[in-house]
Amino acid sequence: GEDVEQSLFLSVREGDSSVINCTYTDSSSTYLYWYKQEPGAGLQLLTYIFSNMDMKQDQRLTVLLNKKDKHLSLRIADTQTGDSAIYFCAVSNYNQGGKLIFGQGTELSVKP
Amino acid sequence: EPEVTQTPSHQVTQMGQEVILRCVPISNHLYFYWYRQILGQKVEFLVSFYNNEISEKSEIFDDQFSVERPDGSNFTLKIRSTKLEDSAMYFCASRKVDRDYGYTFGSGTRLTVV
Repeated sequence: GEDVEQSLFLSVREGDSSVINCTYTDSSSTYLYWYKQEPGAGLQLLTYIFSNMDMKQDQRLTVLLNKKDKHLSLRIADTQTGDSAIYFCAVSNYNQGGKLIFGQGTELSVKP
Repeated sequence: EPEVTQTPSHQVTQMGQEVILRCVPISNHLYFYWYRQILGQKVEFLVSFYNNEISEKSEIFDDQFSVERPDGSNFTLKIRSTKLEDSAMYFCASRKVDRDYGYTFGSGTRLTVV
């Protein structure tokens, strides 16, 4: 079945850029998402990209999609301590019911 | 902004007891989901529900689990006889229409089985 992989930890200094990477196996994935989870909280949709796009920018967030390599990345510019959280990559295929398949999450630690 | 509401936020139950987790999806949404996250692990799909029936379920969703939309607004997940390994955060989500990215997740119910 579909698999989504992420590295587990990333540590950056405040003000630096963060890049969180994700790989997936199903080339027919239609929507690809980034969710943020703060401690004890739910899943907050940060951004998403449709599979026919290469890039999407939304304020400090830039999503890059390389369909050939099945690689998705999330860049956070000017990372702040408030960005410290777990970031989940997720993919869905609306031809297969639209359920989300999540990666294991990347814990981003931002040091002042 | 419309929200998906889950209750309770935390439930502790004895092993072997039945629990019902409740969700109120966004009112004009048509697709409903339950996911779970065991502490420190991936968020896993459990079940999807559309048009008053299960549309897809995962291997995790065995005979101990059931879902219901009893009154057109609530969406419930029942675990008949809880096991220690059912301890997890359970998330409800709803989605408006087919082929729409617009998932909205609730804030979750933390289930602790002792």
